[in-house]
Amino acid sequence: QQPVQSPQAVILREGEDAVINCSSSKALYSVHWYRQKHGEAPVFLMILLKGGEQKGHEKISASFNEKKQQSSLYLTASQLSYSGTYFCGTRGGGGNKLTFGTGTQLKVEL
Amino acid sequence: EAGVAQSPRYKIIEKRQSVAFWCNPISGHATLYWYQQILGQGPKLLIQFQNNGVVDDSQLPKDRFSAERLKGVDSTLKIQPAKLEDSAVYLCASSSPSGDSYEQYFGPGTRLTVT
Repeated sequence: QQPVQSPQAVILREGEDAVINCSSSKALYSVHWYRQKHGEAPVFLMILLKGGEQKGHEKISASFNEKKQQSSLYLTASQLSYSGTYFCGTRGGGGNKLTFGTGTQLKVEL
Repeated sequence: EAGVAQSPRYKIIEKRQSVAFWCNPISGHATLYWYQQILGQGPKLLIQFQNNGVVDDSQLPKDRFSAERLKGVDSTLKIQPAKLEDSAVYLCASSSPSGDSYEQYFGPGTRLTVT
């Protein structure tokens, strides 16, 4: 029941855009996005709730399609600091546990 | 405010030995989580506490792993005896209050190597 992320890895030039997708096989109540740099702890980026509420940091946007059980994270005008591994975490309506996805490695180059 | 503190940062032990990790959450955070992150994978929840009660420990290998949160603040995670496959980073996180609208704050983690 681990959510699947795509792509697995992506390389960008600074200033380019990217989309990271997260797909679940079960009904979702919320989707959480985190970024983890090598050797560091995951850092919260955004929460998307069923019904449309969103809460997040930085200039990052995301969408949540409840019917398709999918979420997408949009990284625009990428910066070097965006490099890292992005994880989505999903939570179903009946439970309280956050299940993290397979991860997407993002590298931004000059 | 101070973040989530964990110790030790690194630990190397031999298989069949025991090990303990410590976590101090952000002050006032009622919910505490222990995750296991194997290299190249996402964090996997081992146990979740709400104050000093267990909310979810369905993925905790209870024959060798144990965790406690005395007085609803600090927490310890113990492995006894350790196996090679326990090599991973053990992350502690906290949030306040438990629920979908609040983010989890992660500590720096403890990197465990079992030889």
